[in-house]
Amino acid sequence: DILLTQSPAILSVSPGDRVSFSCRASQNIGTNIHWYQQRTNGSPRLLIKYASESISGIPSRFSGSGSGTDFTLSINSVESEDIADYYCQQSNSWPTTFGAGTKLELK
Amino acid sequence: EVQLQESGPSLVKPSQTLSLTCSVTGDSITSGYWNWIRKFPGNKLEYMGYISYSGGTYYNPSLKSRISITRDTSRTQYYLQLSSVTTEDTATYYCARFLWGVFAYWGQGTLVTVSA
Repeated sequence: DILLTQSPAILSVSPGDRVSFSCRASQNIGTNIHWYQQRTNGSPRLLIKYASESISGIPSRFSGSGSGTDFTLSINSVESEDIADYYCQQSNSWPTTFGAGTKLELK
Repeated sequence: EVQLQESGPSLVKPSQTLSLTCSVTGDSITSGYWNWIRKFPGNKLEYMGYISYSGGTYYNPSLKSRISITRDTSRTQYYLQLSSVTTEDTATYYCARFLWGVFAYWGQGTLVTVSA
């Protein structure tokens, strides 16, 4: 199975900060990486697909980049509603796998 | 809009079979791929498997001997059965619709605890 390593485990931010989440794959997966947000007591919500493709209804402050093995999700200016866990997921090969997540918290 | 809703027992005894239902509205389960995913107490997400538009199935090899996914197209429902459960199967179970290669729609999740 493809292992996805997310870092850091926890990110502490202030509103208005720009933040970046890292996801590294154990092998080349092209751009077959997707990002999800999960708020407390909520379900995962798709933010970005195929590394950098935007999703209808998702604020433009969310963006993604990367290819191969290294990927980044960025939030341009953090808002309080962005406090959540963030997961990457690969669809390059079955079984699809998820990273362990990064927790975004307020300082 | 596509909506999914999980239902089933919240408590299952060790060695028994865990059975869950996913009820779908706003879409037909005779198109696309319909999945089960679980999230463990430590926040790890694990993909379990899917049933396809044609009734074909795929199971994560880590679960292959214990898992079964079936469907009832007339009720727009699909089902998860996980046999011989242990405390390590305690998790929140989600059903999700696979679309454009991603999990575009999710249920709200249901917590299942395995305990005597």
